[in-house]
Amino acid sequence: AQSVTQLDSQVPVFEEAPVELRCNYSSSVSVYLFWYVQYPNQGLQLLLKYLSGSTLVKGINGFEAEFNKSQTSFHLRKPSVHISDTAEYFCAVSEGDNQGGKLIFGQGTELSVKP
Amino acid sequence: DTAVSQTPKYLVTQMGNDKSIKCEQNLGHDTMYWYKQDSKKFLKIMFSYNNKELIINETVPNRFSPKSPDKAHLNLHINSLELGDSAVYFCASSPHGGNTEAFFGQGTRLTVV
Repeated sequence: AQSVTQLDSQVPVFEEAPVELRCNYSSSVSVYLFWYVQYPNQGLQLLLKYLSGSTLVKGINGFEAEFNKSQTSFHLRKPSVHISDTAEYFCAVSEGDNQGGKLIFGQGTELSVKP
Repeated sequence: DTAVSQTPKYLVTQMGNDKSIKCEQNLGHDTMYWYKQDSKKFLKIMFSYNNKELIINETVPNRFSPKSPDKAHLNLHINSLELGDSAVYFCASSPHGGNTEAFFGQGTRLTVV
């Protein structure tokens, strides 16, 4: 069965510092990978996705992620964070049509950017 | 112009009541979903519909009944509400089964008292 593990529940970081949010998944088949962001009292917004092709994926707001099949990881990175990046970040995996397109989410990582 | 819209945004109700949450998407997508986010922010799928047909039911109590009158709408009706039903419920849609991202609504915060 699929599962997603986000290794850090909370990541405090100072403004303009780099950040990495870690995500590992387990699946016996090919998967599609996503990072979503949730700002307080809002819905989920897609940051970036890996469907196929280049393993380095660039998303919105300066975020990027690298798909590593051998390590079954999809870590999210940003070279310099802003206060406005403070939010909850979710890694998710889908097996596509085989599972009706459902997303399996990680537990979330709370990114807290301090001035 | 909201892509996936849910109503109401907040819902406070007493135990034992029956309530509905409505969802509409104007993206022309074939697949719609309901997800539940608990108090620890964990997100889990409840249901998935493809072109009005139920394709996923993730062992949700039968007090929860989704209804899809057409492929642009997926409503969630909950009977005999319990304290444990308190959560944020998200509607989402996607153009195909999962080889692209899902688009989420703003959520409905349900509080059962």
